[in-house]
Amino acid sequence: GAGVSQTPSNKVTEKGKYVELRCDPISGHTALYWYRQSLGQGPEFLIYFQGTGAADDSGLPNDRFFAVRPEGSVSTLKIQRTERGDSAVYLCASSWGLAGTDTQYFGPGTRLTVL
Amino acid sequence: GNSVTQMEGPVTLSEEAFLTINCTYTATGYPSLFWYVQYPGEGLQLLLKATKADDKGSNKGFEATYRKETTSFHLEKGSVQVSDSAVYFCATQTQGGSEKLVFGKGTKLTVNP
Repeated sequence: GAGVSQTPSNKVTEKGKYVELRCDPISGHTALYWYRQSLGQGPEFLIYFQGTGAADDSGLPNDRFFAVRPEGSVSTLKIQRTERGDSAVYLCASSWGLAGTDTQYFGPGTRLTVL
Repeated sequence: GNSVTQMEGPVTLSEEAFLTINCTYTATGYPSLFWYVQYPGEGLQLLLKATKADDKGSNKGFEATYRKETTSFHLEKGSVQVSDSAVYFCATQTQGGSEKLVFGKGTKLTVNP
């Protein structure tokens, strides 16, 4: 079946602009995660959804970052007033949402470049 | 919170050499442990996992054993191939709540023919 998909694959924007990044999880997965991977680093957690609600947003760096998942499937990560330091690969992952040994499946990522 | 310390790279080996990539973790409780791999131009893929102490995860000739006494989860392969060239990430999973993954910085492996 289809895996996690993310669009766009690449996004170039100018400092101060607003961007939206989209994630389509695996069908039926109730848990959805956003991570950010900077060059030469491992992914860092941003936010976790269980269904429609953001159950853990402790990784969002500041209030310029926001994410939604209105129908419990597709999620959008929104970044306002982008800064050069926001440049990174943004990864989405989904899972069945089972506690304990749940495996997260990752999408290919969106590479965001802020000029 | 949880943290992962992973062997710094890059690592360069010849084909058929033995591979070890060290990983140690700090965590409360008994987290699940993972190795993810990122092949050039591709997304993160789960390589193997272990969910409790002394468990051994294995896949594609790679193995890692969950060692609670040394808080380690070292990745090994007896004979690497050129196709194993990739970046390898060790990760722990927090228990309860979000079950988010905490990753190491990654180790880039290059295998030469």
